[in-house]
Amino acid sequence: DSGVTQTPKHLITATGQRVTLRCSPRSGDLSVYWYQQSLDQGLQFLIHYYNGEERAKGNILERFSAQQFPDLHSELNLSSLELGDSALYFCASNYRHNEQFFGPGTRLTVL
Amino acid sequence: GENVEQHPSTLSVQEGDSAVIKCTYSDSASNYFPWYKQELGKRPQLIIDIRSNVGEKKDQRIAVTLNKTAKHFSLHITETQPEDSAVYFCAASYSGGGADGLTFGKGTHLIIQP
Repeated sequence: DSGVTQTPKHLITATGQRVTLRCSPRSGDLSVYWYQQSLDQGLQFLIHYYNGEERAKGNILERFSAQQFPDLHSELNLSSLELGDSALYFCASNYRHNEQFFGPGTRLTVL
Repeated sequence: GENVEQHPSTLSVQEGDSAVIKCTYSDSASNYFPWYKQELGKRPQLIIDIRSNVGEKKDQRIAVTLNKTAKHFSLHITETQPEDSAVYFCAASYSGGGADGLTFGKGTHLIIQP
């Protein structure tokens, strides 16, 4: 157990819908990263938040957005869902420049 | 942006033998190179990392080497055991801890044959 928690574990929804994925970092970690893992694209960095502020953006679609709240948990919002958005979504956290610890992931299935 | 190539995509070795996985990166500014192990349906777990100010790092049966000039780094696992079977990912970032996000290779499926 890395100490990073994610909910829900599984999510099944339909095309065109909107979902919210939640992540709580390890105690003391200020950074939250979001990654998408799919068979064709591999593990891809989406976005990084540090202490409530956006710090870096990767291959995140405009239909996706994220935020980090004062209690440091983060939410990833995915809207206008397409079949190709089906993937495992991981969040990771770290403290300053140390290793990133990954959560258990949310498996999103878009039907 | 950074691009990381990883080879081979599948590697099968006999139990007890060594395994080597190689990665190359494109951005000479990258300075942090972690390796993650992912078992089926589970989270990626860091097994070792190296920063650009060192050329080699060891942790028991696992070692990583870095050649900054050639922009490549490798994972070496000695005396492989069945529990080493998993998918291994290399990654690169130009800030410690990957503050700008980690760029991952496509992964190597390591199979340990009994």
